[in-house]
Amino acid sequence: KQEVTQIPAALSVPEGENLVLNCSFTDSAIYNLQWFRQDPGKGLTSLLLIQSSQREQTSGRLNASLDKSSGRSTLYIAASQPGDSATYLCAAPDSNYQLIWGAGTKLIIKP
Amino acid sequence: DGGITQSPKYLFRKEGQNVTLSCEQNLNHDAMYWYRQDPGQGLRLIYYSQIVNDFQKGDIAEGYSVSREKKESFPLTVTSAQKNPTAFYLCASSIGSLDTQYFGPGTRLTVL
Repeated sequence: KQEVTQIPAALSVPEGENLVLNCSFTDSAIYNLQWFRQDPGKGLTSLLLIQSSQREQTSGRLNASLDKSSGRSTLYIAASQPGDSATYLCAAPDSNYQLIWGAGTKLIIKP
Repeated sequence: DGGITQSPKYLFRKEGQNVTLSCEQNLNHDAMYWYRQDPGQGLRLIYYSQIVNDFQKGDIAEGYSVSREKKESFPLTVTSAQKNPTAFYLCASSIGSLDTQYFGPGTRLTVL
């Protein structure tokens, strides 16, 4: 059964730094992996979807990587800004195609 | 504007009441989902529907019911059988099961 873990639960960094968020999964036979952003009290916004055949996917200052052999995905944020402060969640489909979610990493960018 | 709407934003329920949360999408998506989010936990799937007039239970369906009579609508009823319904409820839709999911703004349900 697929399990998804995100460590750390919270992260605080100064503005301007590059940073990496981690996502681990137990079943390497995944179809894809998705990264989302959630602002407090709001719904989720899709950031990137990386297919199992891909190693990386980029959107602006965001870059997601996928390493199925190690069961790991990372979300790299370049030149962080206070507006990047949010909770970031990753999710991977299980064998029934339904998303299994990590608990998220709460990111705080200090001005 | 294309998107997903949920209403109400806040909902208060008394013990023993059934309440219905609305979810509407104009993205022409076939698949729709209901999730529950509790503090410090990942999203948990309540129900999902891949096509009109069909839906399946997720991991925590007990105490909840849904209908999918129209492609654009997927209402969720929280029944009195749900013992701990206080949570943030999120509706989502996607073109297909493995495609990007798009979320509504959520409904926060509180039991008084």
